[in-house]
Amino acid sequence: EAQVTQNPRYLITVTGKKLTVTCSQNMNHEYMSWYRQDPGLGLRQIYYSMNVEVTDKGDVPEGYKVSRKEKRNFPLILESPSPNQTSLYFCASSPRLATDTQYFGPGTRLTVL
Amino acid sequence: QKEVEQNSGPLSVPEGAIASLNCTYSDRGSQSFFWYRQYSGKSPELIMFIYSNGDKEDGRFTAQLNKASQYVSLLIRDSQPSDSATYLCAVKADYGQNFVFGPGTRLSVLP
Repeated sequence: EAQVTQNPRYLITVTGKKLTVTCSQNMNHEYMSWYRQDPGLGLRQIYYSMNVEVTDKGDVPEGYKVSRKEKRNFPLILESPSPNQTSLYFCASSPRLATDTQYFGPGTRLTVL
Repeated sequence: QKEVEQNSGPLSVPEGAIASLNCTYSDRGSQSFFWYRQYSGKSPELIMFIYSNGDKEDGRFTAQLNKASQYVSLLIRDSQPSDSATYLCAVKADYGQNFVFGPGTRLSVLP
């Protein structure tokens, strides 16, 4: 089944404890992206990647890192999480020639205490 | 700062009526426009995209774009209770792959 998977789905952590949220897609898509969703603010793009080793900042990259060492994986790294990073996070992917057609993962709900 | 605005709702319509969802955007460089549907607790799913001024129809859904007014809308004909969800408007500039989403409009279709 073609899908985007994220792990973990739920995470409660404390300020300053480094964490990684994984994202993987099995559709051989070149384009991958991370969003956060907050009430009243909608989805905001954090980082995106057009291909392996090619990443670029979205609208809210501060406090986040990403890497794209393999086409299928695009992990989101929070080196020192803070409470304002409590949010619902979505990973998305799309084919290079159809980057407008994004397929979203199921989401990761992160709480930073 | 690029902005996309939507009424948060809730927008309530009776079953079988036409639901009209509106979106305005600030960046005149925006070239691609999208409507996503998001059910509570689920991830967004793409309904339609539109690139050119005018109307684009897909089944019960019609997207309308007016670049001069920086306005895009989504009409849902013969609304069904299963259409009850939050509808997200998104735009993308031609020069990049940065998507900007609006806050979403919550639609409630009453049986």
